[in-house]
Amino acid sequence: DADVTQTPRNRITKTGKRIMLECSQTKGHDRMYWYRQDPGLGLRLIYYSFDVKDINKGEISDGYSVSRQAQAKFSLSLESAIPNQTALYFCATSDHRATDTQYFGPGTRLTVL
Amino acid sequence: QKEVEQDPGPLSVPEGAIVSLNCTYSNSAFQYFMWYRQYSRKGPELLMYTYSSGNKEDGRFTAQVDKSSKYISLFIRDSQPSDSATYLCAMGRNRDDKIIFGKGTRLHILP
Repeated sequence: DADVTQTPRNRITKTGKRIMLECSQTKGHDRMYWYRQDPGLGLRLIYYSFDVKDINKGEISDGYSVSRQAQAKFSLSLESAIPNQTALYFCATSDHRATDTQYFGPGTRLTVL
Repeated sequence: QKEVEQDPGPLSVPEGAIVSLNCTYSNSAFQYFMWYRQYSRKGPELLMYTYSSGNKEDGRFTAQVDKSSKYISLFIRDSQPSDSATYLCAMGRNRDDKIIFGKGTRLHILP
């Protein structure tokens, strides 16, 4: 079984809809991250959480919110989706002793029409 | 100037050639340097990790860091079609901080 799982893997939705992307990990890591990846723009950090009670904004947090429900679960919400949020979304985890070594999930491809 | 610059490619080379991938950076506080490999429709995975300046070798892969020039490189010897992927450099100030990724270079190894 994969150490970092993301659901759904693909999602098509319409402008204005609320969307939640979920991430679960079995690696026992305390730190979790949400990135989006766009052609030509690379990986950009949306939010990160260093433990269950810690949430931090990343480079591009506007239009997104997150919830760290447990050490193993970190969800990303788009309250009112817009077309320029169409992208590939990745969840990642790391141990606090080695934040530079991140383990990525398989990604969620989100399309907002 | 962006913190991390990486040529997006694509870079196409024949099988067996030596590949050189590079990144430049502007923040002299970066101490930890990584290369991640991302296959199509997959998440990135850590390939090489280097602390401070110097070289690190792992099989056909060599990571090189020149902090004086703020320049890092990844060399792939005897390149194989299975090396075709996007390679992202990443760097951080310390092991307790988030890391910054380059945009990635798409590499195609031609059989």
